[in-house]
Amino acid sequence: DQQVKQNSPSLSVQEGRISILNCDYTNSMFDYFLWYKKYPAEGPTFLISISSIKDKNEDGRFTVFLNKSAKHLSLHIVPSQPGDSAVYFCAASGSDSWGKFQFGAGTQVVVTP
Amino acid sequence: GAVVSQHPSWVICKSGTSVKIECRSLDFQATTMFWYRQFPKQSLMLMATSNEGSKATYEQGVEKDKFLINHASLTLSTLTVTSAHPEDSSFYICSASRPVFNQPQHFGDGTRLSIL
Repeated sequence: DQQVKQNSPSLSVQEGRISILNCDYTNSMFDYFLWYKKYPAEGPTFLISISSIKDKNEDGRFTVFLNKSAKHLSLHIVPSQPGDSAVYFCAASGSDSWGKFQFGAGTQVVVTP
Repeated sequence: GAVVSQHPSWVICKSGTSVKIECRSLDFQATTMFWYRQFPKQSLMLMATSNEGSKATYEQGVEKDKFLINHASLTLSTLTVTSAHPEDSSFYICSASRPVFNQPQHFGDGTRLSIL
């Protein structure tokens, strides 16, 4: 039972434009969310997080938005750069399962010149 | 720099061999570490939670006798794939977080296991 879903397996965006990655979850107990970036044959690298008490968190070019009522979060990357080309995973955890994260299937982002 | 180190990064071995993978937290003590498995073009699948000084907690469907986990110190957890077969070929990744609430997991670089 997939509790975290990334319905877009891939996204192509032009350099300089905005990349928007979406993630949906089903478990209402989730209260902490992360975005990771992953290159082939490497472990995921933490990008940005958000807890359920906030609806937005910003760090440089990366902004995560959380809509708790819709059980939806999104990651905005602006402006997109060629080095952003990677697979992006969203992950969620609940206070009832501290440290254990459920991951989405990932979205492959390709930033074209 | 890296906060979680995983070794080896790539293993190729014959069917029936047991393979040990190490995961170390480099600048903090981790009472809990996690082991994941990833198949090509699929999500990270949590296999088990490694608990320092006690037995690991395995997710449903993961054979504990097949995937032995030892967390003997606060900075080291090991995963041993026993009597590995070709279907065990996969990308294994460990993670750990600082023992503070709502901290992100930091991942090792993963181990590519290929069983011939």
